[in-house]
Amino acid sequence: AQSVTQLGSHVSVSEGALVLLRCNYSSSVPPYLFWYVQYPNQGLQLLLKYTTGATLVKGINGFEAEFKKSETSFHLTKPSAHMSDAAEYFCAVSETPGNNDMRFGAGTRLTVKP
Amino acid sequence: EPEVTQTPSHQVTQMGQEVILRCVPISNHLYFYWYRQILGQKVEFLVSFYNNEISEKSEIFDDQFSVERPDGSNFTLKIRSTKLEDSAMYFCASSVGPVYFGPGTRLTVL
Repeated sequence: AQSVTQLGSHVSVSEGALVLLRCNYSSSVPPYLFWYVQYPNQGLQLLLKYTTGATLVKGINGFEAEFKKSETSFHLTKPSAHMSDAAEYFCAVSETPGNNDMRFGAGTRLTVKP
Repeated sequence: EPEVTQTPSHQVTQMGQEVILRCVPISNHLYFYWYRQILGQKVEFLVSFYNNEISEKSEIFDDQFSVERPDGSNFTLKIRSTKLEDSAMYFCASSVGPVYFGPGTRLTVL
């Protein structure tokens, strides 16, 4: 069954610094990959998704992620962190177009220091 | 932009009581889901629903849980006899591709 591992339950960066949140997946078929963000006391919001095609995916709020099949990775990056980026980030994997089998990683809490 | 809505936002109940969490998925979506997140833990899949029946469920989704789509718009999760460990945030979601989540219902079992 598909699964996701997020390395680092907590990442802390300074405002303006590079954000790198790591995600590795396991899947028996070409995967569909997602990053979701959860702000305090809110639901999960889709940041970006990879289905097929271009391996570098751009999302909202300046985030992007690159699908690397050889490394089974889908790391999330942002060149310059803002205070408003502080949230919990979840990587997820699905093996079906309907995504009815989505599985989440444990999440990474991003803290941004002034 | 269409969104998934959930009611109530917060539900407090006594152990052993039945609760029904309600969701209105996005109208043209075909798949419906319930996930839960215990405080400080990962988001866990509970159940997916397609074509008026459960398509997949996790080991968490035992006989105490049930789902229903009673009409063309609502999607409900019922917990028959709540336990303390059912306290969590419950997220409804729907999809016809990427999954879109509702804001969640915080369930507190006392």
